[in-house]
Amino acid sequence: EVYLVESGGGLVKPGGSLRLSCAASGFTFSSYPMNWVRQAPGKGLEWVSFISSSSSSTSFIYYADSVKGRFTISRDNAKNSLYLQMNSLKTEDTAVYYCARDGGQQLAYSMDVWGQGTTVIVSS
Amino acid sequence: DIQMTQSPSSLSASVGDRVTITCRASQSISNYLNWYQQKPGKAPYLLIYGASTLQSGVPSRFSGSGSGTDFTLTISSLQPEDFASYYCLQTYKIPMYTFGRGTKVEIK
Repeated sequence: EVYLVESGGGLVKPGGSLRLSCAASGFTFSSYPMNWVRQAPGKGLEWVSFISSSSSSTSFIYYADSVKGRFTISRDNAKNSLYLQMNSLKTEDTAVYYCARDGGQQLAYSMDVWGQGTTVIVSS
Repeated sequence: DIQMTQSPSSLSASVGDRVTITCRASQSISNYLNWYQQKPGKAPYLLIYGASTLQSGVPSRFSGSGSGTDFTLTISSLQPEDFASYYCLQTYKIPMYTFGRGTKVEIK
């Protein structure tokens, strides 16, 4: 069975930091690019960040404009884990954060496996 | 950036109804259009990828069509478990993906 399990969410003050983790199991993690997607309360889905399958310095990394310069995505293929370091958090970053597997060309790059999400609340 | 305009934002329908949801891209995205179902408190679930290919395990009452800029998700006979929100996602501009704003399907 393929699983993604996020952790690390919580309540943080504006300007604070948080590190999210996503543990993968049931598939060859190192073969798949990964994404972070978030959903603010009562709102739609927003793509946040992408990292290619490599966990070395040759990784391709992209961010949505809304988080660029504040968030850092990374992965450790030896630990089957994906991370999102979130700094300078704003109230508008309040959301459920999902990690999602990128299905690659064979699935038209759709995100085919999702975690259950972890909740981040930014409030004073 | 590629904008995805999804409509309607909500609809009311009865069990057995045929339901159609549309997504329009701000530029051609070939067939790089995917559809998701999301129930309250749950993660999105992939229904259709590549505009028209049903993900494994998805009931055949779901279908997708379109290419270029205009796409459609159709539920041929709405079932009680289909009441949920639906989102389109373009994956043409890798990896600057964009979702539609969603369609909430409610019970009439």
